[in-house]
Amino acid sequence: DAKTTQPPSMDCAEGRAANLPCNHSTISGNEYVYWYRQIHSQGPQYIIHGLKNNETNEMASLIITEDRKSSTLILPHATLRDTAVYYCIVRVLNAGGTSYGKLTFGQGTILTVHP
Amino acid sequence: NAGVTQTPKFRILKIGQSMTLQCAQDMNHNYMYWYRQDPGMGLKLIYYSVGAGITDKGEVPNGYNVSRSTTEDFPLRLELAAPSQTSVYFCASTGYTEAFFGQGTRLTVV
Repeated sequence: DAKTTQPPSMDCAEGRAANLPCNHSTISGNEYVYWYRQIHSQGPQYIIHGLKNNETNEMASLIITEDRKSSTLILPHATLRDTAVYYCIVRVLNAGGTSYGKLTFGQGTILTVHP
Repeated sequence: NAGVTQTPKFRILKIGQSMTLQCAQDMNHNYMYWYRQDPGMGLKLIYYSVGAGITDKGEVPNGYNVSRSTTEDFPLRLELAAPSQTSVYFCASTGYTEAFFGQGTRLTVV
């Protein structure tokens, strides 16, 4: 599985967009980019995933560069409840959805949203 | 639909004791995982399973054992507890899009 690199910490003002970067320069063609977050001591929570197109759901947007070597998670209007550790993960998923890769976490980015 | 259920939530063990952390999922997922998380650190993969009867080591398997006799259950066994195994343990299962995590087991070895 490809490794990811994230900044250890970031700050964001409440109500502003939080843009969390992730580098995955060795990603291969069948690896998806996943984002999870962990609030306090709870189990990680899925946010979003994508292969090469930009994705958006009710929680966030995911922007993947054309060469797929990096991506950015965007929380459009950060709130205090978005303070958490955010993990970027790459994971193999074949076209038929019948084979999955290991789910390995790095150190993540500690996002602090302040008033 | 309970998702992923871990028991117990808390446990204190004495050095040398053994215990089993239980994990069960009701989503018919093939992949299941065990992680440990030390204070201020990320999640480290201990063991994972791609289906009943198949398990494999993760990043930090020493001191642990697993089994997967059914799709639903994936217990983690500590045979001789050591202080270095004091941690929070998370079990997870994955489907096509996302992983579901249990609430964690906070284990202290004294």
